[in-house]
Parts: sequence; C-alpha cells; structure tokens
Amino acid sequence: AQSVTQLGSHVSVSEGALVLLRCNYSSSVPPYLFWYVQYPNQGLQLLLKYTTGATLVKGINGFEAEFKKSETSFHLTKPSAHMSDAAEYFCAVTLGTGGGNKLTFGTGTQLKVEL
Amino acid sequence: DAGVIQSPRHEVTEMGQEVTLRCKPISGHNSLFWYRQTMMRGLELLIYFNNNVPIDDSGMPEDRFSAKMPNASFSTLKIQPSEPRDSAVYFCASSLASRGTDTQYFGPGTRLTVL
Repeated sequence: AQSVTQLGSHVSVSEGALVLLRCNYSSSVPPYLFWYVQYPNQGLQLLLKYTTGATLVKGINGFEAEFKKSETSFHLTKPSAHMSDAAEYFCAVTLGTGGGNKLTFGTGTQLKVEL
Repeated sequence: DAGVIQSPRHEVTEMGQEVTLRCKPISGHNSLFWYRQTMMRGLELLIYFNNNVPIDDSGMPEDRFSAKMPNASFSTLKIQPSEPRDSAVYFCASSLASRGTDTQYFGPGTRLTVL
C-alpha cells in the first residue's frame, strides 16, 4: 500500500520569499506523484505530476517539484511567493504502472503568504 | 471545454432526509471518482467507476450511501437517510482513463449541511 506524509499542516511565508512544501511518500512500487492546489471554496486543481523521465517537474504558476527516490520525497517549491499562492496544497500518489489512478492524498498544507 | 459539473453547489437539509448529489464528468472521460472532504478526516475516496462500472466502493461509509453511474455522462451519490455527521464537501472527479498517469480533474464540489 502507498501513503503520503506532508510535513507541516500550516506554512507561512512572506511575499517574495521561497516556498517549500514537503512531501514524503511510501510505496512498494515506483510511484506516480502529484501536487494539487485548492483555493477557498473550489475544487482541486493539478499543479504538476511526476510519472517517468526527468525528476525535476515544472508546473503551473511557477511551481516545480523534484522526485528524489533515495529520499522518497517530492517537495514542492516556488522561488518567489505571491499573495495569490495562498491556498491549500495536497501531495498525492498512485501505485504506478498497472496500479490504476486511485489517488492517495496527504493531509494537506495550508500556505499563508504575508506582506 | 466544460470541466466537471456538480449540482447542487450547496445543499442544506434536515436529518433523516434523502440527499442526491449529481455529477457530469468531462466528455470522453472513462473514470469517475467521488470524494468527501472534512476538516477531521481530510479527503476520502468514497467510490470510483471505470466505464460506468463501480470498481472500488470500500470507502463508502455505510449502507446509507449509494452511488450510480447509469451512463458515461452522469453519476449520482445518494445519502438516505442523511445524518449531521454527513456534513462535508463532496467532490466528483473524472479522468480520461484509469492508468496511473491519468490526471483526475475535480469539480467545484457540493457543500452539504445536514441539520
């Protein structure tokens, strides 16, 4: 079975500062990894995903994430935070090849961006 | 292209009443998922369908919950009778297929309040 751990349920950064949201996974097979964002009163929207190939994945809104197999991590970063980035972020995993796309989500990280 | 459509967006009902939530997936998508989101339990997968057939309903909390997908463009989630602890935001998501790489696209959700 696979699982996802997001360290820090709340993260606060200043506008213009680096954003780092942490995600570690556990999977018995090579996983596929996803980051979703949820703005208030909205559904989840895909930011980026890692399936195979290049381990540094670029997504929408200037976000990127790096798959590190040795660390079982898939941390999300953005060089410079903007007020509009305030939202909840979810890391998720599927089982990979042959495992279907049933997502297992982390508990989410609420990002606050301060002036 | 229209995204996943859910109705109603908000539902307020009294304990014991039947509640029906509706979802129209993205045209051409073959997989459909129902999730529930609460502060206490986060995002939970309730059930998912492939090609209109229920594949995994292990997340359905009780017999009071039922889901159907009579055709490729429509699904319902029914709660009968409803209870206050069913209050949550219910999301529907769809994906093109059920491969591990297939992105799930989420609807805006239905906020259910059971009094």
